[in-house]
Amino acid sequence: KNQVEQSPQSLIILEGKNCTLQCNYTVSPFSNLRWYKQDTGRGPVSLTIMTFSENTKSNRRYTATLDADTKQSSLHITASQLSDSASYICVVSAWMDSSYKLIFGSGTRLLVRP
Amino acid sequence: DVKVTQSSRYLVKRTGEKVFLECVQDMDHENMFWYRQDPGLGLRLIYFSYDVKMKEKGDIPEGYSVSREKKERFSLILESASTNQTSMYLCASRGAWRTYSYEQYFGPGTRLTVT
Repeated sequence: KNQVEQSPQSLIILEGKNCTLQCNYTVSPFSNLRWYKQDTGRGPVSLTIMTFSENTKSNRRYTATLDADTKQSSLHITASQLSDSASYICVVSAWMDSSYKLIFGSGTRLLVRP
Repeated sequence: DVKVTQSSRYLVKRTGEKVFLECVQDMDHENMFWYRQDPGLGLRLIYFSYDVKMKEKGDIPEGYSVSREKKERFSLILESASTNQTSMYLCASRGAWRTYSYEQYFGPGTRLTVT
């Protein structure tokens, strides 16, 4: 079954600290992997997108890694800020049944405290 | 910047009412999508459309229908709203495969409560 599992479900950290969010997937065949940030009550906004040949990608204080062999990805947030409080969603895409499909993880809810 | 807008941020409807959720995108995207998002379940695809007047069922189409009369507009219809359709509804759009990132852009969401 094609699945995307994220951990932890929720996380609380102090402002200025780093954290790492995990994503494991069983989707096959794999096309690309994205991380989205979703603020409370808003739609998801893309942070990074990686194909199977890319193993790291950065966007300001966000660094995503991908290990296509072990089917794992992580999102590392450096020097967290209060505005990083949000849900982070891992999304894996693949061509299945002649169509391009996105499989969503259920997200990690991050709270950054002052 | 791509803009995907949804007609309402919050909506409260009664059981049995017919509900229309509207979505408009301004990037001339071919593909448009409707998702619902519930705690612990992630986003689930209800319907999508890859062209005007074309529609395809997603993973959870029961109780919903859609309409795409113009390229920029994609409507989600709840023919007879039920309490189990209380949820956050997200619209998204995406360009054609020829664009490298094949990025998908989301609207702000409509939080629908059915009482």
